[in-house]
Amino acid sequence: EPEVTQTPSHQVTQMGQEVILRCVPISNHLYFYWYRQILGQKVEFLVSFYNNEISEKSEIFDDQFSVERPDGSNFTLKIRSTKLEDSAMYFCARSGTSDTQYFGPGTRLTVL
Amino acid sequence: AQSVSQHNHHVILSEAASLELGCNYSYGGTVNLFWYVQYPGQHLQLLLKYFSGDPLVKGIKGFEAEFIKSKFSFNLRKPSVQWSDTAEYFCAVILYNTDKLIFGTGTRLQVFP
Repeated sequence: EPEVTQTPSHQVTQMGQEVILRCVPISNHLYFYWYRQILGQKVEFLVSFYNNEISEKSEIFDDQFSVERPDGSNFTLKIRSTKLEDSAMYFCARSGTSDTQYFGPGTRLTVL
Repeated sequence: AQSVSQHNHHVILSEAASLELGCNYSYGGTVNLFWYVQYPGQHLQLLLKYFSGDPLVKGIKGFEAEFIKSKFSFNLRKPSVQWSDTAEYFCAVILYNTDKLIFGTGTRLQVFP
């Protein structure tokens, strides 16, 4: 079983539209991560989020991306104006002991 | 920049064959090392991890990996693969005092009965 659930499993959107991807932890955790995997490429780190603040972010995580935990439970990744190159699998992860990260099933984002 | 290399992109084996998947990283400092597996249609699952101590670590489903610091390597092994091991395998590292996992490109393993 995944350690977190993610919704939706597949999102199709038009270029320029905003999308919100959601991550719901199975139990109460403070440390979350977003990664993405463009088809045929590596899994890439986007951002880490600890106690309602961004802890670390990559150069990919530019101004069109944002993360928040709006209701203290769901952890969201927002892409403000999607581009074709944002098409990818987006994975949420939560922290475990000693730097271990546990991943959700992913959301496949397709930008047309 | 720090990176993780997996030299085998696609490996095809028959059941009962032995498996070794290579993983090398480029970073001179302290790292924690991981292997993740992704079965078809499923999420990334932790296979095993190394933080310190015995450089030979054992994971789930009979997998093991050996950390060789002098070679910056963390190769994954299994003495006898099964058809159910068909999956994609990802090596990853976390550098000391950072949050992010740095992944290799993955190795697709196909095991035929």
